[in-house]
Amino acid sequence: GENVEQHPSTLSVQEGDSAVIKCTYSDSASNYFPWYKQELGKGPQLIIDIRSNVGEKKDQRIAVTLNKTAKHFSLHITETQPEDSAVYFCAATSSGYSTLTFGKGTMLLVSP
Amino acid sequence: ETGVTQSPTHLIKTRGQQVTLRCSSQSGHNTVSWYQQALGQGPQFIFQYYREEENGRGNFPPRFSGLQFPNYSSELNVNALELDDSALYLCASKGQGYTDTQYFGPGTRLTVL
Repeated sequence: GENVEQHPSTLSVQEGDSAVIKCTYSDSASNYFPWYKQELGKGPQLIIDIRSNVGEKKDQRIAVTLNKTAKHFSLHITETQPEDSAVYFCAATSSGYSTLTFGKGTMLLVSP
Repeated sequence: ETGVTQSPTHLIKTRGQQVTLRCSSQSGHNTVSWYQQALGQGPQFIFQYYREEENGRGNFPPRFSGLQFPNYSSELNVNALELDDSALYLCASKGQGYTDTQYFGPGTRLTVL
């Protein structure tokens, strides 16, 4: 089955800095890669996703890059703000299936 | 807000008891998946229901079972509760057609004593 590794487990940045979270996956059949943000006491919220036919996707301050050959994908947050502080999860699945395999999460702390 | 609702918010049970958790999917979504999230971990897939039938299951024992109703709402039942079942249980729904985007509810926090 799929295995997703996520690094780092914690990340502290100053407000305005950039943050990068990296994930690797094992199953070459995986072709859909969502990122979720989870705030304390809440369920995961989808923030961006990418499919394997695309190398990069941007949405305002958030971007995701995918390297199919190396089987890794990354989340980039620019101009971080204190409200970006949360736990971020990457996930992978094969398109058409609902079985998301998640990484263990990255706790991002943005200090004012 | 995703439109996926779950009840109850919190629940405390003792070992050996049975529990039922409920989920209402987002309007128009016919696929519901359940995940278990232990403290400090990512969610783990339990099973998925599509049009009232289970059509995918993760590495969970048979004492984890579920139902989906004609209105696409769903239940997760856990029998013979164990201490390790303490976790946040998340429901996610997915729309009709060829879409991969799953939307999660707020979860039910289950504590087994």
